[in-house]
Amino acid sequence: AQTVTQSQPEMSVQEAETVTLSCTYDTSENNYYLFWYKQPPSRQMILVIRQEAYKQQNATENRFSVNFQKAAKSFSLKISDSQLGDTAMYFCAFMKHEGGGADGLTFGKGTHLIIQP
Amino acid sequence: KAGVTQTPRYLIKTRGQQVTLSCSPISGHRSVSWYQQTPGQGLQFLFEYFSETQRNKGNFPGRFSGRQFSNSRSEMNVSTLELGDSALYLCASSQGRGRNEKLFFGSGTQLSVL
Repeated sequence: AQTVTQSQPEMSVQEAETVTLSCTYDTSENNYYLFWYKQPPSRQMILVIRQEAYKQQNATENRFSVNFQKAAKSFSLKISDSQLGDTAMYFCAFMKHEGGGADGLTFGKGTHLIIQP
Repeated sequence: KAGVTQTPRYLIKTRGQQVTLSCSPISGHRSVSWYQQTPGQGLQFLFEYFSETQRNKGNFPGRFSGRQFSNSRSEMNVSTLELGDSALYLCASSQGRGRNEKLFFGSGTQLSVL
């Protein structure tokens, strides 16, 4: 079974600052995906960024980038030039992928990110 | 294109009752999965349906069941409700089950069991 750990229950930064959210995971799988999801007060989970384990290059999506360290089983999210709209719960998630299809997502407990004006 | 639609948004039930939640995936999506979110346990995978067949199941008792119809809409049923079943139930859909699929979530159904 996989586990995902987010060690920061809550973080608060000023608008325009850069913030890094931490995530570590444990798995014996070799073929998997890692995700960061954002959950604003509307409750809808929104995909922020995705990383495929077999790709060494770190994924980036505009202001969002990850630092993927496969050997250390670490997957942190960096948000640059943070904006008020970034305030939300952020969840790190793991999905293994075998043969004909994907398994369910395993989520961490989440980090509540607050962007202060 | 409409997103993933979950109904109802809120639901209040009493212990021992049963409940059915509905999820309409994005048009063209054939895979639907369900998750339970509680403050204590966090987000947990319930099950996934693809082409009307359950493909994966999480570690939940048999009181939790689901089904998927030919139009890909899915329903989730919880029988003999317990207080601990109070949670936000999220549904997600994807086009298929391939390597590059992306999951799109609905806004959830908030179930309160009294």
